[in-house]
Amino acid sequence: QSALTQPRSVSGSPGQSVTISCTGTSSDVGGYVYVSWYQQHPGKVPRLLIYDVRLRPSGVPDRFSASKSGDTASLTISGLQAEDEADYYCCSYAGSYSVLFGGGTKVTVL
Amino acid sequence: QLRMQESGPGLVKPSETLSLTCSVSGGSISGSPHFWDLIRQPPGKGLEWIGGVHFSGTSSSNPSLKSRITMSVDTSKNQFSLNLTSVTAADTAVYYCVRRCCFFDSGSYPNWFDPWGQGTLVTVSS
Repeated sequence: QSALTQPRSVSGSPGQSVTISCTGTSSDVGGYVYVSWYQQHPGKVPRLLIYDVRLRPSGVPDRFSASKSGDTASLTISGLQAEDEADYYCCSYAGSYSVLFGGGTKVTVL
Repeated sequence: QLRMQESGPGLVKPSETLSLTCSVSGGSISGSPHFWDLIRQPPGKGLEWIGGVHFSGTSSSNPSLKSRITMSVDTSKNQFSLNLTSVTAADTAVYYCVRRCCFFDSGSYPNWFDPWGQGTLVTVSS
């Protein structure tokens, strides 16, 4: 199992939108509708942002949205804010009760 | 509110076994439709799933670590544990206890993690 592929970094100005891709294979992202996303600020514990491809837990702003097409999942942050500067990780179910994480993407707010 | 607390050695010598326990409060492991997992994060690097266990004994682990991992659950203490054998410097990481949703039967796809413990740093060094 190789980690899901995410861009190392993305950046945007306040108010803009950024999209983070997460590419896997038919054995993980492409084979299931079970992708989740996590936000991690420096020195902090990761926080669940999205589950089951596009669902937001209570308390997560609707600026965060996600989708999946084929072997690639995507997280979009709309109306980028300074507090969104963090690392973001995707995670996919990968069969036999296992999961696989992406390598992480650093979002910089310019 | 469910919480998890990691307890571990802090420092482990190379080739020895890392033993880590996660204590759960605010909810019961027994009867819960969740896996109870460990995730680690080496300093400055990304998240790596280690493995997880259900109170029924069903478990799963990262293929890259499978030969070195034993995970168990103690419902009487509301704890779950990890033993990682033959550690090297590459096992140095912050280890997180996490709950994974949801496991109802063999047709389930437990896949998302919430909540997370605060994490504990384990350093492998002589």
